[in-house]
Amino acid sequence: NAGVTQTPKFRILKIGQSMTLQCTQDMNHNYMYWYRQDPGMGLKLIYYSVGAGITDKGEVPNGYNVSRSTTEDFPLRLELAAPSQTSVYFCASSYSPGPEQYFGPGTRLTVT
Amino acid sequence: AQKVTQAQTEISVVEKEDVTLDCVYETRDTTYYLFWYKQPPSGELVFLIRRNSFDEQNEISGRYSWNFQKSTSSFNFTITASQVVDSAVYFCALSEANYGANSKLTFGKGITLSVRP
Repeated sequence: NAGVTQTPKFRILKIGQSMTLQCTQDMNHNYMYWYRQDPGMGLKLIYYSVGAGITDKGEVPNGYNVSRSTTEDFPLRLELAAPSQTSVYFCASSYSPGPEQYFGPGTRLTVT
Repeated sequence: AQKVTQAQTEISVVEKEDVTLDCVYETRDTTYYLFWYKQPPSGELVFLIRRNSFDEQNEISGRYSWNFQKSTSSFNFTITASQVVDSAVYFCALSEANYGANSKLTFGKGITLSVRP
């Protein structure tokens, strides 16, 4: 099993550009999450999904959008990149609330 | 609201020393889960342990041990005989056992542990 995979690993964007961060899990998990990690900080929740077709905002959703058309995939879209979105982005999944969340390797995004 | 406090920001020890990483949490829920994750310099997040709120037994796994005390809302992590490979950022996290947004992990800010040879 690959677990949780994320692409790309690194990306540099110019201000105002758009991009999609991909996340795929092969564990048939219902719950999926997007977090961002800023230097010296813990992770903060951007969006989450409790199943295909169901998504909701987390703590820091502004500037991002998500969709969940399948159980496996949970892409995160940045529409108009801003320097404040420079961060490391982690996707995670779990079977249900409570069990440990499995994290992808992260995407390091720089917006200049 | 959930909150996790890791008051220590950086700890430096010499190899073979024991080190304890502190974690204090806040939650209004009676059912919750506590976690420790390790983030080595390579950047990935490695799950170490999960504890549910009804299980206060301490746990030992090799050189790692965890002390969960509901009375003080603490979930401390001790590394015995530290090794250079233990150098990493360690995160304590809390999850409430509810569906929806509270199923998220609330992370502390992390403790950077440096183990010198």
